[in-house]
Amino acid sequence: GENVEQHPSTLSVQEGDSAVIKCTYSDSASNYFPWYKQELGKRPQLIIDIRSNVGEKKDQRIAVTLNKTAKHFSLHITETQPEDSAVYFCAATSDSSYKLIFGSGTRLLVRP
Amino acid sequence: DTAVSQTPKYLVTQMGNDKSIKCEQNLGHDTMYWYKQDSKKFLKIMFSYNNKELIINETVPNRFSPKSPDKAHLNLHINSLELGDSAVYFCASSQDLLAGVADTQYFGPGTRLTVL
Repeated sequence: GENVEQHPSTLSVQEGDSAVIKCTYSDSASNYFPWYKQELGKRPQLIIDIRSNVGEKKDQRIAVTLNKTAKHFSLHITETQPEDSAVYFCAATSDSSYKLIFGSGTRLLVRP
Repeated sequence: DTAVSQTPKYLVTQMGNDKSIKCEQNLGHDTMYWYKQDSKKFLKIMFSYNNKELIINETVPNRFSPKSPDKAHLNLHINSLELGDSAVYFCASSQDLLAGVADTQYFGPGTRLTVL
């Protein structure tokens, strides 16, 4: 079955710097890769997603890149702000799978 | 206009008790899920229902029994609660999982279950 590995488990950056979180997946059939942000005590919320027919997607300060050959995808946050502090989860699934498999999460701390 | 709602938000109970968590979505989605998030924040799928039919059952003890009275509701009943059941339980929903296109899942606010 699908396995998703996420690194790093914790990431501390200075406000204004960039943050990068990386994930690898095992199932070459995976074609949908969402990223969720979970603030303390809150629900996971989708922040950006990408499908396998594109290599990069951007939404303001957030971007996701996908390398299908290497089976890895990354989340890039530029000009980080303290409110970006949260746990970020990557996930992977395919059109034929019934399961969304999550990575283990990255705790991002943005220091003011 | 809450999209996915759960009740209760907090649940504190003794070992051996039976409890239920309710979930409702008003997004018109066909598929609903239950996830368990443990103390290390791992999010793991437990069950998935599509139009009231069970399609995922992830090796969950049979003390856990989901029930879907209609496609907008998915409840979770837990019998004989154990200490290890303490976690946050999230309900989620998405468009028709069986339509052949993976789609975004929207999560409820979570229910923090504490078993004493």
